[in-house]
Amino acid sequence: KQEVTQIPAALSVPEGENLVLNCSFTDSAIYNLQWFRQDPGKGLTSLLLIQSSQREQTSGRLNASLDKSSGRSTLYIAASQPGDSATYLCAPSGDSGGSNYKLTFGKGTLLTVNP
Amino acid sequence: GAGVSQSPRYKVAKRGRDVALRCDSISGHVTLYWYRQTLGQGSEVLTYSQSDAQRDKSGRPSGRFSAERPERSVSTLKIQRTEQGDSAVYLCASSPRDRANEQYFGPGTRLTVT
Repeated sequence: KQEVTQIPAALSVPEGENLVLNCSFTDSAIYNLQWFRQDPGKGLTSLLLIQSSQREQTSGRLNASLDKSSGRSTLYIAASQPGDSATYLCAPSGDSGGSNYKLTFGKGTLLTVNP
Repeated sequence: GAGVSQSPRYKVAKRGRDVALRCDSISGHVTLYWYRQTLGQGSEVLTYSQSDAQRDKSGRPSGRFSAERPERSVSTLKIQRTEQGDSAVYLCASSPRDRANEQYFGPGTRLTVT
């Protein structure tokens, strides 16, 4: 069974800082990995999707890396803004059981960017 | 265009009662997923169904959870004999046929079992 751990559980930073969110997963037989953002009372918004054959993906101020063999992914946020405050979820899809598209979520990192 | 919608957004049920949660997916999407999100345990997949199957392919062994697909773009998650531990946010997601690895999420239904 895939298990996902996200560190730290919560992070508070001043505006403008660069920060890194960490994700580790136990089953490296993944199909891809996504990073999501969730605002209070809202659904999930996909930020970045990394295919298992890729090492990283970039979108604006966000950069996600994937080391499939070691079961790790990081989300780098540059020049953080108060609007980045949200919970960030890491979700690899697939596992050794062949469930290619089912996502397994971590518990998330609650990010607060202070103005 | 319209995204995934879920109803109701909030539901309070007495323990032991059955509940039904609805998901309207994006038109043309073929696979629907139900996830459960709890504060302490994160999120887990409950069930999913593909367009050619009206019944779900369950991700959980519990027989109390099931999903039906009365229409191609509609899924209903049914929880029988609710327990307090069922209190959670239930998220629905759908994915298109040609990009099966992309899931689009609804806003969720917050279920509270009293």
